[in-house]
Amino acid sequence: EPEVTQTPSHQVTQMGQEVILRCVPISNHLYFYWYRQILGQKVEFLVSFYNNEISEKSEIFDDQFSVERPDGSNFTLKIRSTKLEDSAMYFCASSESGTYGYTFGSGTRLTVV
Amino acid sequence: GEDVEQSLFLSVREGDSSVINCTYTDSSSTYLYWYKQEPGAGLQLLTYIFSNMDMKQDQRLTVLLNKKDKHLSLRIADTQTGDSAIYFCAESIRQAGTALIFGKGTTLSVSS
Repeated sequence: EPEVTQTPSHQVTQMGQEVILRCVPISNHLYFYWYRQILGQKVEFLVSFYNNEISEKSEIFDDQFSVERPDGSNFTLKIRSTKLEDSAMYFCASSESGTYGYTFGSGTRLTVV
Repeated sequence: GEDVEQSLFLSVREGDSSVINCTYTDSSSTYLYWYKQEPGAGLQLLTYIFSNMDMKQDQRLTVLLNKKDKHLSLRIADTQTGDSAIYFCAESIRQAGTALIFGKGTTLSVSS
């Protein structure tokens, strides 16, 4: 069964450093997303991406965040200057139609120290 | 604003039925979803229901939707120890590409 692949599974970074979280969505999917889950809290929407541009973003997705689809297969989330409160599990998801059947990756656990 | 609420824990015995409940606030929800998360794994889509449906059955899973009360439930028949996981209710309220609004998740514990 097709999967969304995320790397790395766990990343530790120092406060103020830049991190790039990587995702390979399912190949025929057109809509791509990033969500995050702070420990013990809800899964929160960050951003959606379609047709090579951001289609929707939440208040969390401020100027320190950016997304990119640098080639035909990868979808990345960059956090420019990490803060302690950015520590969370980050999930990538993709969808063929954008209306249902989102497939999520296993997540990247980001720890900012 | 939009909000999705779930009870945090449910404990059942193997072979019993489990019912996980969810309430949502936005009456313009188009799709409602149930996701399962096992330890260390991602979010696995279990089932979804379109807002003009009342019920959907898929093998051991039954989803009931009460639009008037904005209440969604997931019934798992003949619950097995392998069903132990966190179950998330989620809604989407707009057209293609929209964000999902998640609940906090219900931890289902199945004892043998």
